[in-house]
Amino acid sequence: NAGVTQTPKFRVLKTGQSMTLLCAQDMNHEYMYWYRQDPGMGLRLIHYSVGEGTTAKGEVPDGYNVSRLKKQNFLLGLESAAPSQTSVYFCATSWTNYGYTFGSGTRLTVV
Amino acid sequence: DQQVKQNSPSLSVQEGRISILNCDYTNSMFDYFLWYKKYPAEGPTFLISISSIKDKNEDGRFTVFLNKSAKHLSLHIVPSQPGDSAVYFCAASGNDYKLSFGAGTTVTVRA
Repeated sequence: NAGVTQTPKFRVLKTGQSMTLLCAQDMNHEYMYWYRQDPGMGLRLIHYSVGEGTTAKGEVPDGYNVSRLKKQNFLLGLESAAPSQTSVYFCATSWTNYGYTFGSGTRLTVV
Repeated sequence: DQQVKQNSPSLSVQEGRISILNCDYTNSMFDYFLWYKKYPAEGPTFLISISSIKDKNEDGRFTVFLNKSAKHLSLHIVPSQPGDSAVYFCAASGNDYKLSFGAGTTVTVRA
């Protein structure tokens, strides 16, 4: 039982490059979220999904896009990476507002 | 504007003593509050929660207190153990399953 799996775990991008972060869950949760963690800022919600085929903007959505084509997968895309997107990205899933399960994170550096 | 605030970035406590972590919130629509614990290179894990209809919830060494009128909650860890050294995030939600997080408090338990 893997829970929530994020790939890749680490990545270095050059400014302007694109990439996709994958979040996969095997818990059959309806809700999925992407957060970023920055020093002194805590975890901030980027985008979220309340079910297959749905997505919605969170607190800091600019520069990111998401897709939820299958219930178990939630993809976060950066079309043109900027140094301000250097961060640790966490995916989470839930079926209630206390049932959050987080992945282990993706550390992204944009140079 | 952060709706959940943890004003103490760090806390150092001697093993066996009590750790008290504080959290304030501004959104009166929040009705569920949680604490998450995070070790380096791992995702946050759920620790304890409290509903707005209660003012206290205990789970072993961990107790969360809620003061709705002051929009304040606290986490007590008694007794503190070396394995409690981690970053603790306060989080809150309304009825939309989205969690808002504080910036975190790094707890160091000294032997």
